[in-house]
Amino acid sequence: QKEVEQNSGPLSVPEGAIASLNCTYSDRGSQSFFWYRQYSGKSPELIMFIYSNGDKEDGRFTAQLNKASQYVSLLIRDSQPSDSATYLCANRGFSSNTGKLIFGQGTTLQVKP
Amino acid sequence: GAGVSQSPSNKVTEKGKDVELRCDPISGHTALYWYRQRLGQGLEFLIYFQGNSAPDKSGLPSDRFSAERTGESVSTLTIQRTQQEDSAVYLCASSEGRGSNQPQHFGDGTRLSIL
Repeated sequence: QKEVEQNSGPLSVPEGAIASLNCTYSDRGSQSFFWYRQYSGKSPELIMFIYSNGDKEDGRFTAQLNKASQYVSLLIRDSQPSDSATYLCANRGFSSNTGKLIFGQGTTLQVKP
Repeated sequence: GAGVSQSPSNKVTEKGKDVELRCDPISGHTALYWYRQRLGQGLEFLIYFQGNSAPDKSGLPSDRFSAERTGESVSTLTIQRTQQEDSAVYLCASSEGRGSNQPQHFGDGTRLSIL
């Protein structure tokens, strides 16, 4: 079992819809979770991070964390074609004293006009 | 600087040659990380620096890989006797510290192609 798992997609949604991206993780001691957006040929760009159970909202983006079920999700409201990219989920484990991130392989999102 | 800077942006070399990849972190960031991303894959951790020391080298795939950091700033990742499986994008990230609430910011990466 991979430490961080994501459905590779592609996930296709129409413009204006809500895109829901999901991620599960195996390390129960994971402390913090990050969502990065990566356009083709570009470097990952941090979108959101979350540490506590529940929801965290930032503009059109909402991160949701459920530690009991070991999943974290990212909702994108009013999706735009410019949101089309690969979304990488990453976590940092409790036992990690280095801060290194463990990444999933990413979900490709396609927003169709 | 304003962001993490990496050079070269692209490197093509023949199998068996040595390569050096450079990373300039965000000014003042004490933590520096190297990751590797193969085509269509997520990022694999290689090595972590806190200041000039590397307390976690657990991701380096073989002894052909080494890295150093000087002046608590620039870092160089060296790959000796390159192999075709080394072809990937090598990404550098920095953060203010290693604490769990410190997000990592990435450079644009070096795309390495081994012929």
